[in-house]
Amino acid sequence: DTEVTQTPKHLVMGMTNKKSLKCEQHMGHRAMYWYKQKAKKPPELMFVYSYEKLSINESVPSRFSPECPNSSLLNLHLHALQPEDSALYLCASSQGTVGTEAFFGQGTRLTVV
Amino acid sequence: GENVEQHPSTLSVQEGDSAVIKCTYSDSASNYFPWYKQELGKRPQLIIDIRSNVGEKKDQRIAVTLNKTAKHFSLHITETQPEDSAVYFCAPPEIMEYGNKLVFGAGTILRVKS
Repeated sequence: DTEVTQTPKHLVMGMTNKKSLKCEQHMGHRAMYWYKQKAKKPPELMFVYSYEKLSINESVPSRFSPECPNSSLLNLHLHALQPEDSALYLCASSQGTVGTEAFFGQGTRLTVV
Repeated sequence: GENVEQHPSTLSVQEGDSAVIKCTYSDSASNYFPWYKQELGKRPQLIIDIRSNVGEKKDQRIAVTLNKTAKHFSLHITETQPEDSAVYFCAPPEIMEYGNKLVFGAGTILRVKS
């Protein structure tokens, strides 16, 4: 199984809403990532979890809150987002060591209204 | 940190022609050089990668070449087909204690005209 599964595929939320994005992998990968991708731009790293601990936060605003409940799951909690946060949110996982492939989920298309 | 430049930003070729995309990086300690393909509305997927102990790697119509001295690596696609139309990203990782912090190039939009 080389799948990274993300839910939901699409999400529309108001600026006062609270929602969560979910990501799951069963490849035994110990590193998991959240990326944000705007249209016609490359993915931008937001967070890295290594062995279920947050190892990198790329100065992401606190309205985005990551969580790694266990080695297979990664969540991104959203609160008080702005319209400019509308984007494709990609989860990825890898074995973690440099030189190993990163597998991406299909993404959640988020629209903030 | 790693600085990555990718050229060209767009590339149009006739079906059957070859396409070459170049990626320049800054970190001389980098030792892993992947290329990702992202079709419209889909996830990025690794198509080929190379490690610093080799200069070239081929997989059917796709090849990657590495010049560590000049700090660049290139994606070569031969006999292009319409299904090769996509955005291609180089993404050399920034060296970290743990985890691949992929640093994506700006991307190259490849259009294969039939």
